Amino acid sequence: AQSVTQPDIHITVSEGASLELRCNYSYGATPYLFWYVQSPGQGLQLLLKYFSGDTLVQGIKGFEAEFKRSQSSFNLRKPSVHWSDAAEYFCAVGAGGTYKYIFGTGTRLKVLA
Amino acid sequence: NAGVTQTPKFRILKIGQSMTLQCTQDMNHNYMYWYRQDPGMGLKLIYYSVGAGITDKGEVPNGYNVSRSTTEDFPLRLELAAPSQTSVYFCASRPVANSNQPQHFGDGTRLSIL
Repeated sequence: AQSVTQPDIHITVSEGASLELRCNYSYGATPYLFWYVQSPGQGLQLLLKYFSGDTLVQGIKGFEAEFKRSQSSFNLRKPSVHWSDAAEYFCAVGAGGTYKYIFGTGTRLKVLA
Repeated sequence: NAGVTQTPKFRILKIGQSMTLQCTQDMNHNYMYWYRQDPGMGLKLIYYSVGAGITDKGEVPNGYNVSRSTTEDFPLRLELAAPSQTSVYFCASRPVANSNQPQHFGDGTRLSIL
């Protein structure tokens, strides 16, 4: 069965530090992968997506993610975190041939001034 | 662009009451979804629809009903509200059949049942 794991429930970083949020998936074929961000009281906004091709994808707000098939991972990175990045981040898998996505349980990011 | 619009934004219900959460999208998307979000649990799919007149159950459909009479609207109904249905509800839509198209989300409805 398909699944998505975000091992870190909470992460705290200092403003200006680098960030990596982990996402591991389980799926038999090449998945479609997404990262969403949710600010407090808001809906989910798409940060970036991976379908095929270059395994390093760029997104909005200075985020990037790298697809590593051998590790079944799609980790989200940002070189320098801003206080406004404090939010909850969700990784999702779109399984080919189905209408549904599977979401991870989220990672809540706290940024220290 | 309005995108996906959910109403109301907040609601408090008493146990046993019923209500309808409204969702409308103006992007002519075929696929629409209802999720609930509970702390630490991520998003759980309640119901989804692949077009007008077609709906199907997700992971957690019990206690809910949906209808899809038009492409734009996908209301979610709670018939007998229970405390376990206290949650944040999100509606989402997606344009085409392939899973490589991202979902677009509304801002959510925060529902408390007391």
